[in-house]
Amino acid sequence: GDSVTQTEGPVTLSEGTSLTVNCSYETKQYPTLFWYVQYPGEGPQLLFKVPKANEKGSNRGFEATYNKEATSFHLQKASVQESDSAVYYCAGNVGDNSKLIWGLGTSLVVNP
Amino acid sequence: AQTIHQWPVAEIKAVGSPLSLGCTIKGKSSPNLYWYWQATGGTLQQLFYSITVGQVESVVQLNLSASRPKDDQFILSTEKLLLSHSGFYLCAWSPRDRDTLYFGAGTRLSVL
Repeated sequence: GDSVTQTEGPVTLSEGTSLTVNCSYETKQYPTLFWYVQYPGEGPQLLFKVPKANEKGSNRGFEATYNKEATSFHLQKASVQESDSAVYYCAGNVGDNSKLIWGLGTSLVVNP
Repeated sequence: AQTIHQWPVAEIKAVGSPLSLGCTIKGKSSPNLYWYWQATGGTLQQLFYSITVGQVESVVQLNLSASRPKDDQFILSTEKLLLSHSGFYLCAWSPRDRDTLYFGAGTRLSVL
């Protein structure tokens, strides 16, 4: 079946360092790809989405490129802040709005 | 602007007792609605979705049921709680023709 796999957490970084969270997908069709972020005690919120292969999404300094050849959608940020501490979810949608395929989530802890 | 409200914010319930969690979406007609469950420290598991009043599809059976009595309301319930029902319950909505999910703040459930 379709699946999304991402970096296993927790990922612990110091403020000002760079972040990469790997995400790979395995789907029968080309999906729309998403990154969601969940802060403690809250529901997830969309960080950004990319519907088309070889395009890039970005928001709040985070970015990811939809790489069709590598079937990847890695999340990157050049310089993380303590406020970026959260759980990051990669997800995919292959045309059925009723069901997103979620990765297991990656917990990010940024120390000051 | 659309708003999503979940109630209650938190519940502590005894094993074997009934449960009813609610979700209301304002400012959007005919949304798709979803229930998700998240074990403590765990990933997102979709439970139910609904595309219209009175119609609910089950994704995962966890001895829970869902109903959509009104266009803007989604209810999650069970007659007998199990210890395994503990966790964080999230309601979400999406526009009928879009694939982005918008989550509520969630309900924290502890079953003792």
